[in-house]
Amino acid sequence: DAMVIQNPRYQVTQFGKPVTLSCSQTLNHNVMYWYQQKSSQAPKLLFHYYDKDFNNEADTPDNFQSRRPNTSFCFLDIRSPGLGDTAMYLCATSRDLWTLGYGYTFGSGTRLTVV
Amino acid sequence: AQKITQTQPGMFVQEKEAVTLDCTYDTSDQSYGLFWYKQPSSGEMIFLIYQGSYDEQNATEGRYSLNFQKARKSANLVISASQLGDSAMYFCAMPRPILTGGGNKLTFGTGTQLKVEL
Repeated sequence: DAMVIQNPRYQVTQFGKPVTLSCSQTLNHNVMYWYQQKSSQAPKLLFHYYDKDFNNEADTPDNFQSRRPNTSFCFLDIRSPGLGDTAMYLCATSRDLWTLGYGYTFGSGTRLTVV
Repeated sequence: AQKITQTQPGMFVQEKEAVTLDCTYDTSDQSYGLFWYKQPSSGEMIFLIYQGSYDEQNATEGRYSLNFQKARKSANLVISASQLGDSAMYFCAMPRPILTGGGNKLTFGTGTQLKVEL
């Protein structure tokens, strides 16, 4: 089945130690998104890629970066994680930025804990 | 600015009963869409149902239906014949307005925690 896969499912990292979260998709979607969801809160968009074009949200900390080496993969890099970065990180894809509702798909998420 | 409001932080329903989860919204777009997602304790975001603003019929997907009232700017989710497995957090979400970036970048409501009881 075509899907969005996030690895790892759970990640524990030390304060200040760089960490990378992975997302892959078999849907051949043009757009990939990263959302951060802190405990008991709604998901919040960090950034997205439309093909190779990167779009950062205005309030996304500089500590968060992303790479998309090809259509299938997208990575979230946290350069120096702080305790406040403990959250669920959700990857999502969509066919494009204009066809509302069609094929918007989330991965299962990576639960990151910073200790 | 766009706003999604879910006024019920928590809801209880008995198994086999129907339940309505409220969602109101505000947007500057004429054409827009509304999503409902289910998030169990395991964390994945599961798509339930989608309604486009120009869809004439209310959306339905199995036991899920949307009570979409455009004039009131509400898009309430109705779950019929509740099951224990429906216990989860439910989010209403919509894409950001065109004027503020548009696209499929979702803004979520604060969610409603649903608990289905025997």
